[in-house]
Amino acid sequence: QQQVKQSPQSLIVQKGGISIINCAYENTAFDYFPWYQQFPGKGPALLIAIRPDVSEKKEGRFTISFNKSAKQFSLHIMDSQPGDSATYFCAASMGSGTYKYIFGTGTRLKVLA
Amino acid sequence: GAVVSQHPSRVICKSGTSVKIECRSLDFQATTMFWYRQFPKQSLMLMATSNEGSKATYEQGVEKDKFLINHASLTLSTLTVTSAHPEDSSFYICSASLVLPPNEQFFGPGTRLTVL
Repeated sequence: QQQVKQSPQSLIVQKGGISIINCAYENTAFDYFPWYQQFPGKGPALLIAIRPDVSEKKEGRFTISFNKSAKQFSLHIMDSQPGDSATYFCAASMGSGTYKYIFGTGTRLKVLA
Repeated sequence: GAVVSQHPSRVICKSGTSVKIECRSLDFQATTMFWYRQFPKQSLMLMATSNEGSKATYEQGVEKDKFLINHASLTLSTLTVTSAHPEDSSFYICSASLVLPPNEQFFGPGTRLTVL
């Protein structure tokens, strides 16, 4: 019940295309869903995050879509660029206690020039 | 704002020695700091959660006597890998959480530990 399932494991997209990464969770107590971008040898950097009271959040080329009833959320990267090539992790946390994150397994994105 | 640093960025040590990794929140006070371990091409695995002035809470399967965590102030937490062995070689990442909003974690750049 604590797992966050992420797919696909890897993704190849042409420059200018849309990259879509999906995550699903079971625990309805989760109330914060961030997405992180990680380059090789670096720490993760927060891209965008959403709470369950909204169904979509957009920041620049990055959009989170959230489906509370289906317990799913996804990251959309519009106009994908070669510089977006990285590993993306979704996560979920609860708004009480230690607020620790449960991370998805990660998606390696490669954007072809 | 919300910058977290780690030191050192890379460390190579001999088997049996101890290694200390520092995690600092540079421009904010962190109520909670987290330590993660990441193997190549894998996700982040939470090792422990630490709050300033109290004992760390370790995740199941993490040896608290091997991975000593000290959270001495609201801006500094340290992870000491004691009697390191080659299987401890990994990428160690810390994160720090602001008081508000409490969910958001800011990650450090990571420390690559190689045990020979």
